[in-house]
Amino acid sequence: QVQLVESGGRVVQPGESLRLSCAGSGFTFSNYPLHWVRQAPGKGLEWVAVISSDGTNKYYTLSAKGRFSISRDNSKNTLYMELNRLTVDDTATYYCAKEGWGEGGYDLWGQGTMVTVSS
Amino acid sequence: NFMLTQPHSVSESPGKTVIISCTRSSGSIDSNYVQWYQQRPGSSPTTVIYEDDQRPSGVPDRFSGSIDSSSNSASLTISGLKTEDAADYYCQSYDSSIPSVVFGGGTKLTVL
Repeated sequence: QVQLVESGGRVVQPGESLRLSCAGSGFTFSNYPLHWVRQAPGKGLEWVAVISSDGTNKYYTLSAKGRFSISRDNSKNTLYMELNRLTVDDTATYYCAKEGWGEGGYDLWGQGTMVTVSS
Repeated sequence: NFMLTQPHSVSESPGKTVIISCTRSSGSIDSNYVQWYQQRPGSSPTTVIYEDDQRPSGVPDRFSGSIDSSSNSASLTISGLKTEDAADYYCQSYDSSIPSVVFGGGTKLTVL
């Protein structure tokens, strides 16, 4: 079954850290760039970060630079994102997405994992 | 970098046709492909159009995409509207200069 399954979301306090995971199956994981996209409650989609298929190139949205770190382990078919110095504005559902068509065209999304930052 | 602007909401009756626009603020709309995603409440997004006008397998041909260079915009057209088409729709493109992915703000489609 072709799928992406996220995990790791939970309630944390401002300033804390968190690591999200995204396990892929049913496709050749190492062939594709992967992205994190988030969606705050009741809001639109916001791109967060991308990592190339071999993990050498990484790009971030401005609000994530210096705080978030994207990585992948192709031997485990797993994508990660380390979230540091979290603020209430980071509260969102975080989706991982597979770039199937180039230039950020996603052909597969996970179900999402919810991160809540609250004191 | 650029923004993609969509109408906040559109409403139409079943059986009719609706067009959702997505206007690029700077740079040419045909510089990078545009994708369209459908998101029903409580669900993850799914692709309805990729690379401007291509339909993934399983997406009905009632959905079509186009690019208009004169207005620097992309459009998603849904014909023969069904109540199940009610959802949020997002356009998305790519900013080669940064690089980064850009989403439009989303359009809520109501079918009633």
